[in-house]
Amino acid sequence: GENVEQHPSTLSVQEGDSAVIKCTYSDSASNYFPWYKQELGKRPQLIIDIRSNVGEKKDQRIAVTLNKTAKHFSLHITETQPEDSAVYFCAASGSNYKLTFGKGTLLTVNP
Amino acid sequence: GAGVSQTPSNKVTEKGKYVELRCDPISGHTALYWYRQSLGQGPEFLIYFQGTGAADDSGLPNDRFFAVRPEGSVSTLKIQRTERGDSAVYLCASSLVASGSDEQFFGPGTRLTVL
Repeated sequence: GENVEQHPSTLSVQEGDSAVIKCTYSDSASNYFPWYKQELGKRPQLIIDIRSNVGEKKDQRIAVTLNKTAKHFSLHITETQPEDSAVYFCAASGSNYKLTFGKGTLLTVNP
Repeated sequence: GAGVSQTPSNKVTEKGKYVELRCDPISGHTALYWYRQSLGQGPEFLIYFQGTGAADDSGLPNDRFFAVRPEGSVSTLKIQRTERGDSAVYLCASSLVASGSDEQFFGPGTRLTVL
């Protein structure tokens, strides 16, 4: 089955700096890669996703890149703000529809 | 409209008891998923419904776990003879269709504690 590795497990940045979280996946059949943000005690919420026919996608301060050959994808957050502090999960899915999640990255943005 | 809802929000039970966890998906969503999230981990897939039928139950850890969705809307996850290791947050998600690339909307979860 699919295996998703996520790094780093914790990330601390100063407000205004950029943050990058990286994930690798094992199943070459995976074709959908969402990123979820989860605040403490809250539900995971989709912040951006990318499909395998696209190499990069951007939404304001958030961008995701995908390298299908290397089987890795990354989340980039620019101009970080304290409200960006949360746990971020990457995930992958293919024809079997279920999402396989990474273990998460705790992002702390220091004012 | 309303998002995915789950009840109860918290459930404390004793080892060996039976529990039921309920999920109300977004109206019109045909696909429904159950995940389990342990502390400090990402959600782990349990079971997926397309309509009323369980299309994939490969994530259920053992036969103490069972889920139903009799009318293709509300789903109930049932756990028999609970064990302390079952303690986790149980998350439900729904999507409009099961396309493999359709956004899954998550509920707030049920925190299950087995004493």
